[in-house]
Amino acid sequence: NAGVTQTPKFRVLKTGQSMTLLCAQDMNHEYMYWYRQDPGMGLRLIHYSVGEGTTAKGEVPDGYNVSRLKKQNFLLGLESAAPSQTSVYFCASYAAGWSYEQYFGPGTRLTVT
Amino acid sequence: AQSVTQPDIHITVSEGASLELRCNYSYGATPYLFWYVQSPGQGLQLLLKYFSGDTLVQGIKGFEAEFKRSQSSFNLRKPSVHWSDAAEYFCAVARPTGNTPLVFGKGTRLSVIA
Repeated sequence: NAGVTQTPKFRVLKTGQSMTLLCAQDMNHEYMYWYRQDPGMGLRLIHYSVGEGTTAKGEVPDGYNVSRLKKQNFLLGLESAAPSQTSVYFCASYAAGWSYEQYFGPGTRLTVT
Repeated sequence: AQSVTQPDIHITVSEGASLELRCNYSYGATPYLFWYVQSPGQGLQLLLKYFSGDTLVQGIKGFEAEFKRSQSSFNLRKPSVHWSDAAEYFCAVARPTGNTPLVFGKGTRLSVIA
């Protein structure tokens, strides 16, 4: 049981390049989230999904797109990376119900030069 | 809209000393309340949560938190800090309607000195 995994762990992009971050969970959770963490800003929600085939915008969605084609995977895309997207990205998942505990992945450190 | 304030950006305590991390929230009703810990280079781990009932909740690693409705606060405490508690701590809230995204505070970094 791997929990929540993120690929890649590190990446350096040049301005204008694109990439996709993959989040995978093996806990059969309905809900999945993408956050970004910046110094002094805490975690800010980018996009989230309440089930396979659904996505919704969070607090800071601009410049990102997401897809949830399979229940266990949640992809975060950057179509044209900008230096302002330099950050640590965390994925989380949670099973709807009483527990309300979000399980976090280890993070992806992205640098855009 | 919900918001969370963690007034202390960085706290330093001596090993063995007691700890209190502050968290204040803004919300019309009593939200669901959480404390998460993030060790360096790691993801976040849930320490404890409050939904309703007893206002003093126990969590993992010897932590506890007390909900005070009158002060809109949910402060995290530990009676005796260990060097391994050095980490960043995040308070978070969610609407009590369930299944809504968490809103995080900006975090408090805890340093532990010998």
